[in-house]
Amino acid sequence: GAGVSQSPSNKVTEKGKDVELRCDPISGHTALYWYRQRLGQGLEFLIYFQGNSAPDKSGLPSDRFSAERTGESVSTLTIQRTQQEDSAVYLCASSLDVGDDTQYFGPGTRLTVL
Amino acid sequence: AQSVTQLDSQVPVFEEAPVELRCNYSSSVSVYLFWYVQYPNQGLQLLLKYLSGSTLVKGINGFEAEFNKSQTSFHLRKPSVHISDTAEYFCAVRIQGAQKLVFGQGTRLTINP
Repeated sequence: GAGVSQSPSNKVTEKGKDVELRCDPISGHTALYWYRQRLGQGLEFLIYFQGNSAPDKSGLPSDRFSAERTGESVSTLTIQRTQQEDSAVYLCASSLDVGDDTQYFGPGTRLTVL
Repeated sequence: AQSVTQLDSQVPVFEEAPVELRCNYSSSVSVYLFWYVQYPNQGLQLLLKYLSGSTLVKGINGFEAEFNKSQTSFHLRKPSVHISDTAEYFCAVRIQGAQKLVFGQGTRLTINP
């Protein structure tokens, strides 16, 4: 079956514009995660969705960042009024359920804010 | 809070030589431990994980790692590397009961012929 997919693969935007990043998890996976990878650094947790439970937003760096997920399907990460420090690779992962230990990662969206 | 330290940002080795990529973590509670690999222009792929039981864990592509609780380490090893092992390797922890992974900064492994 298909893995986690993300779109777009690359996004270049101007400072101050809003961007939307999309993640399609593996079918049947109830848990979905967003991470950010800045150049030369490890991955930072942003947000986690599990079924219909309230998401864990503890990693979102500011109120310019938000994410939605409809049921157990697609998720969208929105960054409003982008800043240059938002430039990074945004990675999405999914896992079968909350008890499953293996998170499967998508290829990421490379965001460049000019 | 948990943290993960990968002591080497880059490790160059010759083909067929052994390699060890170091990972130390800090946590006041029990954790699960993971190594992920990111090949050039690809997404992260799970290499191996430690959940419980034997402290020596074997993963894909001939890699293994040993959990050392007293030293809070989870070093990754391979006895003989190949050109195809060139990639970035990430160590990560997840505290039991939580969902998010906490990653180290990564180690870039470069294999020279």
